Amino acid sequence: AQSVTQLGSHVSVSEGALVLLRCNYSSSVPPYLFWYVQYPNQGLQLLLKYTTGATLVKGINGFEAEFKKSETSFHLTKPSAHMSDAAEYFCAVSDFGDMRFGAGTRLTVKP
Amino acid sequence: EAGVTQSPTHLIKTRGQQATLRCSPISGHTSVYWYQQALGLGLQFLLWYDEGEERNRGNFPPRFSGRQFPNYSSELNVNALELEDSALYLCASSLASLAGGPNEQFFGPGTRLTVL
Repeated sequence: AQSVTQLGSHVSVSEGALVLLRCNYSSSVPPYLFWYVQYPNQGLQLLLKYTTGATLVKGINGFEAEFKKSETSFHLTKPSAHMSDAAEYFCAVSDFGDMRFGAGTRLTVKP
Repeated sequence: EAGVTQSPTHLIKTRGQQATLRCSPISGHTSVYWYQQALGLGLQFLLWYDEGEERNRGNFPPRFSGRQFPNYSSELNVNALELEDSALYLCASSLASLAGGPNEQFFGPGTRLTVL
């Protein structure tokens, strides 16, 4: 069965610092991987996704993630954090219609 | 273009009652998914409907059920409510999954169910 593990339930960075949110996946078939963001009292919004092709995926709001098969990882990064990035971030793996989410990482951005 | 809509926004029930949650997908989307987001438990996959059929369900008891209507809207029913059913219930929709892989799921704002 496919699953994802997000390392660190809380991450705190200073404004302008690098953001790194970690995600490792387990899948018996080539995975389709996603990162979603959830702002307080809102639904989830897709940041980026990996299906096939280029392993470095660029998303919205300056985020990107790199698919590393050898490490079974799909970490999310952003070079410079902004206060508006404070939210909960979810990594997910999917095949046809069965999307499994990680437990989430709450990102705090300090001024 | 209207996004995924869910109703009601909030729902308060007492233990043992039944709750009905509704979801309208984005126009043109045929797949609807339901998730439970309980405090401290992350997002748990509940149900997937496509073209009116239940395609998959997560590890939830049978008192969680639903259906999809011909217009692709969907209902989630929770019978015999328990205190631990209190959670945010999220609905998502997508285009039909094709051989090339799953399509992006678009999420609604959720229904917050409180069981007293």
